[in-house]
Amino acid sequence: IVLTQSPATLSLSPGERAILSCRASQSVSSYLAWYQQKPGQAPRLLISDASNRATGIPARFSGSGSGTDFTLTISSLEPEDFAVYYCQQCSSWPLFTFGPGTKVDVK
Amino acid sequence: EVQLVESGGGLVKPGGSLRLSCAASGFTFSLYTMNWVRQAPGTGLEWVSGITGDGNHISYGDSVKGRFTISRDNAKNSLYLQMNSLRAEDTAVYYCAREISGRYCDYWGQGSLVIVSS
Repeated sequence: IVLTQSPATLSLSPGERAILSCRASQSVSSYLAWYQQKPGQAPRLLISDASNRATGIPARFSGSGSGTDFTLTISSLEPEDFAVYYCQQCSSWPLFTFGPGTKVDVK
Repeated sequence: EVQLVESGGGLVKPGGSLRLSCAASGFTFSLYTMNWVRQAPGTGLEWVSGITGDGNHISYGDSVKGRFTISRDNAKNSLYLQMNSLRAEDTAVYYCAREISGRYCDYWGQGSLVIVSS
C-alpha cells in the first residue's frame, strides 16, 4: 500500500487553519496514524485510528477519513506547530508504510 | 514513564557490521511488539523491522531483508538490530518504537545515527 501526502509544503501564518491530506492506494479502513516531527527530534504520535488524538495532544489537532482518503486539520496554527507531518498505515501489518510527509512552514 | 534509549550507532565502512540496541523502561516490555524505523538524511521515515513481544513473529522491509536481524531479550528489556553487509544507503538515524496492537507506534526513542562510508 502506497501513501501519498499533499501538499508537499504548506506555507501558512500563525493562527491560520492547516489542512493536510493523505491518500492510500487501497483501503486501509481506519488504520491510519499521523505523526509530527521537528528537526532533530523523533516523530511524535498525534492521531491514531484516523481520528483519535493521542495523549497530551491539543484539541486543535483533529483527524478524519476512512478507506483511502484522510485529513489532518490544525484549526489554528501555533508557533510550535511548524514541522513535518507524516501519515502511516498499518492495515497490512506487520508492514507499516509511511507517507512522504507534508512540511508546514511559516509564510 | 515510558523511555526508549537507542545506542550502538556510529561510522562503519561499506560491507561492515553494526549492532544497535534499544533499552526500554517504564512498561512491561514483553507485552509489546517493537519496531525499528529509520530516516536517511533529509528524507522521510522508512519501517525497517518488527518483532512481536514473545519474539515468535519477525518481519523485515525489503531493503534490509537478508542483511539485518532483529531480536529482543525480554529479561533485559532490550531490543536489538544486527546490521550486516552495510551499504551507503543504510546511512540513517535508526529509531526504536513501541507498537500498539499492529496499528501505530506510540513511543519512539531519540534515535541512533549510523553512517556507512569509506
